[in-house]
Amino acid sequence: EPEVTQTPSHQVTQMGQEVILRCVPISNHLYFYWYRQILGQKVEFLVSFYNNEISEKSEIFDDQFSVERPDGSNFTLKIRSTKLEDSAMYFCASSEGGSQGITDTQYFGPGTRLTVL
Amino acid sequence: AQRVTQPEKLLSVFKGAPVELKCNYSYSGSPELFWYVQYSRQRLQLLLRHISRESIKGFTADLNKGETSFHLKKPFAQEEDSAMYYCALSQSLDTGGFKTIFGAGTRLFVKA
Repeated sequence: EPEVTQTPSHQVTQMGQEVILRCVPISNHLYFYWYRQILGQKVEFLVSFYNNEISEKSEIFDDQFSVERPDGSNFTLKIRSTKLEDSAMYFCASSEGGSQGITDTQYFGPGTRLTVL
Repeated sequence: AQRVTQPEKLLSVFKGAPVELKCNYSYSGSPELFWYVQYSRQRLQLLLRHISRESIKGFTADLNKGETSFHLKKPFAQEEDSAMYYCALSQSLDTGGFKTIFGAGTRLFVKA
């Protein structure tokens, strides 16, 4: 069964550095998402991406965040200047795109643990 | 505001005992509700969704709109059910995608 993959599994960085988290969604999926889970807290929506542009973003997704699908397979989340509070598990997800009014299934990657020192 | 509440952080039961993981939601409109499960060192995976009305691994969940609840139940817990369970609802986006709003999660521990 196809799966969403994410690299790296763990990223350690210094505060102020840029990081890029990578995801390979399932190949025929059209919608891509990033979620974040700070340790001990709930999984939170960050951004959705469709047709090569952001379709929705949360208030967490400020100017230091950006997403890109540079080559038709990878889907990346860039954090420009990391802060201590960016330390979290970041999950990528993708979905095929359901019929109108019917929610399809989101498939999640295993996550990247980001530690900002 | 859309919200999912799971009041229990931890639920510990003995093998063979019934399990009920509570979930309440707040949503304007017709919600689509899900349960996700995360086993140790594994990814989040969909367990079941209310529109399917199916039973997966012996678990069922019924949407109660009057009580705004979507509790997850299993009559006889197994040790392999030990995991983190997240209740979630989906909010459709104009583009046709959707975002998932998660509860805080309940850790189920099934003791031998």
